[in-house]
Amino acid sequence: NAGVTQTPKFRILKIGQSMTLQCAQDMNHNYMYWYRQDPGMGLKLIYYSVGAGITDKGEVPNGYNVSRSTTEDFPLRLELAAPSQTSVYFCASSSGVLYSNQPQHFGDGTRLSIL
Amino acid sequence: AQKITQTQPGMFVQEKEAVTLDCTYDTSDPSYGLFWYKQPSSGEMIFLIYQGSYDQQNATEGRYSLNFQKARKSANLVISASQLGDSAMYFCAMREYSTQGGSEKLVFGKGTKLTVNP
Repeated sequence: NAGVTQTPKFRILKIGQSMTLQCAQDMNHNYMYWYRQDPGMGLKLIYYSVGAGITDKGEVPNGYNVSRSTTEDFPLRLELAAPSQTSVYFCASSSGVLYSNQPQHFGDGTRLSIL
Repeated sequence: AQKITQTQPGMFVQEKEAVTLDCTYDTSDPSYGLFWYKQPSSGEMIFLIYQGSYDQQNATEGRYSLNFQKARKSANLVISASQLGDSAMYFCAMREYSTQGGSEKLVFGKGTKLTVNP
């Protein structure tokens, strides 16, 4: 069972470089999310999507962009990498059924360092 | 203001004993959900247990139970018969709903690091 798949698992970038973090889910979930987790902290929402073609900002969207062209994929783009973006990034998905007891399913994370 | 507060940065427990991890939340919405996730040192987020705001009974899942006190806005996680493999970070999270667009979001606390001693 694949669930939520994130690639790459680790990456080192130089300041000013760009990259795309990939996220794919095979559960036919409508809702997808990107979080970042800084050391010793909980997760903070960057962007989310309620369906293909629909995205919205979360708590910490600056420096990131997203797109959702299919139900399965939700890539996160860093255009000009900055040291403050060094973090662990998690992608998650959920069914989107309101008030259900179904949790968000998380990928294994991408550990990103900006040097 | 913090919506999810976990006041215990670290907790220690002896193997086979029970431990309670605290979580308080803040919301004015009558409909919400509370989740606990476990994050071992390998980094993945593992769903443990869920409590809905309208659920009459406290949730239980194996050795995990949720002590839900709605009036106090607390949702403490109780782990019974602790095992060495329970050593991990534990995060409390609240699901918020937005009527605009029908979206849902999770708001996380800062977590509690649990260490189980042999």
